[in-house]
Parts: sequence; structure tokens; C-alpha cells
Amino acid sequence: EDKVVQSPLSLVVHEGDTVTLNCSYEVTNFRSLLWYKQEKKAPTFLFMLTSSGIEKKSGRLSSILDKKELFSILNITATQTGDSAVYLCASFIQGAQKLVFGQGTRLTINP
Amino acid sequence: GAVVSQHPSRVICKSGTSVKIECRSLDFQATTMFWYRQFPKQSLMLMATSNEGSKATYEQGVEKDKFLINHASLTLSTLTVTSAHPEDSSFYICSASRDSTYQETQYFGPGTRLLVL
Repeated sequence: EDKVVQSPLSLVVHEGDTVTLNCSYEVTNFRSLLWYKQEKKAPTFLFMLTSSGIEKKSGRLSSILDKKELFSILNITATQTGDSAVYLCASFIQGAQKLVFGQGTRLTINP
Repeated sequence: GAVVSQHPSRVICKSGTSVKIECRSLDFQATTMFWYRQFPKQSLMLMATSNEGSKATYEQGVEKDKFLINHASLTLSTLTVTSAHPEDSSFYICSASRDSTYQETQYFGPGTRLLVL
């Protein structure tokens, strides 16, 4: 069974801290790994990773994929209260052509 | 670009009634649309995948007679929850892909919160 597992499930930090969110996957026919940020409504796209070892960066957020160890991390530096959200990772299954989501990490940034 | 809308955003209905949720791609043609369900504090679970003009493909455990999906055009898919019961209360999110080859690029709608009394 295709599975994506995120950790921690919940994280509370102070503004300015750096956080690392983890995502491991065990799927057949992996093609890509995606990160999303979900506030109250629909997930918004952050990154898509297909190759190992290549860091993708967008402002204070960055992400990297390790296809040998089957995991990805999402880093957020100098966190702000606006970063508070649920962060979802998902693996895209080639063949079945579908996204399998992890449970999400609920990140709370306290001022 | 790549905006997906859903209507309604919130619906409350009585047990036994049917509820229709619309998902529209506003500025692109969607080759494929996906329907997800999200319970409180849980992740998105794919319910079904629909391609315009053909029958939807349902995930294991999802009753196709209960959750009717119609994908009548390249910009509109509908999900009808038939004879809704309180356990159907959930957050339903659709997404749309405009690339038939790279369907991981999905644009999500804002979701519909369904409460069945």
C-alpha cells in the first residue's frame, strides 16, 4: 500500500525560529514529491521535487529530496506568525496518476 | 492564472437529502479533475478521478452510487452526495490538472464544507 508519513504531526515554535518538517514515503512507481501549505481552505503549492539532492528554495522556505532514503524535508527559516498552517506533503504515483498525501504537520508560530 | 472555484463553499442539509458540489476551472481547460475528502485534522484522501466525457475512476472503498461524479465539460465537474448522512459531513476539495502528462500539477479549489444534520 502506498504510504506517505509526516513528522512531527504538530509543532509549536517562537517567531524567528527555524523549523524542519519531515516527510517519508513508501510508494510504488514514484515520480515526484510535492509540498503544500494549507491554511483554512485549499492547499497552496510550495514545491515539487523529482531529483535527489537538488535544493529548491523560495524565500525563507527550502526543500530537498533524498530518493535513496525515501524522504524529503521542508525547512523554514526566520519563521513568522504567517507561516502558521498545516504543511502537507504528497507523493505522485506514476501509472495510477494520483497524489497520495501525508497526514500533515500542524505548525504554530507564536509571537 | 490557474484558478479553480467551488460552489457552494458551505452547505448544511438534512439527513437523506442530496447535495451537489460544483468545481470549475476558471481560466484553463482541465483534462482531469480530482475529488478529495478531508476529515478534521486529517489529510486529503482521494475519492475519485474524473476525465471529461468519461466515467470517473473511484478509489477503493468509495461508493460510486453514493458519490456521483459528472465531468460534463473541460471546465466543470460536479460531485453529488446522494442521500447524505451525518457521517458524510466533511470538507470536500476538488483539484484540476491541465496537463494530461504531468497530472501532479494540480490546482486546488477552496473546498466545500458539508454538514449533514
